[in-house]
Amino acid sequence: GAGVSQSPSNKVTEKGKDVELRCDPISGHTALYWYRQSLGQGLEFLIYFQGNSAPDKSGLPSDRFSAERTGGSVSTLTIQRTQQEDSAVYLCASSLSLGGQGAKGANVLTFGAGSRLTVL
Amino acid sequence: GQNIDQPTEMTATEGAIVQINCTYQTSGFNGLFWYQQHAGEAPTFLSYNVLDGLEEKGRFSSFLSRSKGYSYLLLKELQMKDSASYLCAVRSFSGGYNKLIFGAGTRLAVHP
Repeated sequence: GAGVSQSPSNKVTEKGKDVELRCDPISGHTALYWYRQSLGQGLEFLIYFQGNSAPDKSGLPSDRFSAERTGGSVSTLTIQRTQQEDSAVYLCASSLSLGGQGAKGANVLTFGAGSRLTVL
Repeated sequence: GQNIDQPTEMTATEGAIVQINCTYQTSGFNGLFWYQQHAGEAPTFLSYNVLDGLEEKGRFSSFLSRSKGYSYLLLKELQMKDSASYLCAVRSFSGGYNKLIFGAGTRLAVHP
């Protein structure tokens, strides 16, 4: 597609429920990131997919969070047993491969509009 | 680990120049990005530096000193629409991965 598409744009859920957030990256982009942004805060890294390599999950805050990327394209971020502190905007971004060490090209991340999650 | 520091808030006057600083500590440094984020919107790319020096793009310029772990974003001829958060992000290469980590952002308010 023309841009990074995320759904739902808004999700209100009750504490303890599971939620799934979807990201459809730009076609051909092999790198995909999930970030979380709380109100007035910066972007917190969650997870990073690069092609068929094992993802970098080092930013996931707890084992209630998981993500997968099927066929190297669409990604789903799942939050189990949601808590109120999970309330935030979840941003997905994609790019062409970020390249190896010292690569000159920027391979800029393009962000989706985000999914705003509110846990009551 | 990684650490990225930038001021929380800045104010400036329309038509003026403002410099937003970013200091970082990381291993495997592989580039520094600046993004702009208007309230309620997604971040958008402004600039990229991987070598030392100044990169100029119209009213915006970005500087990098790798030896000092320091970058700044310079905004000239400020306009009201420049009121936004400015995010410094560092790309580092480790364990076969390139990872892009963001600072907390600097909220810039431009006044008439």
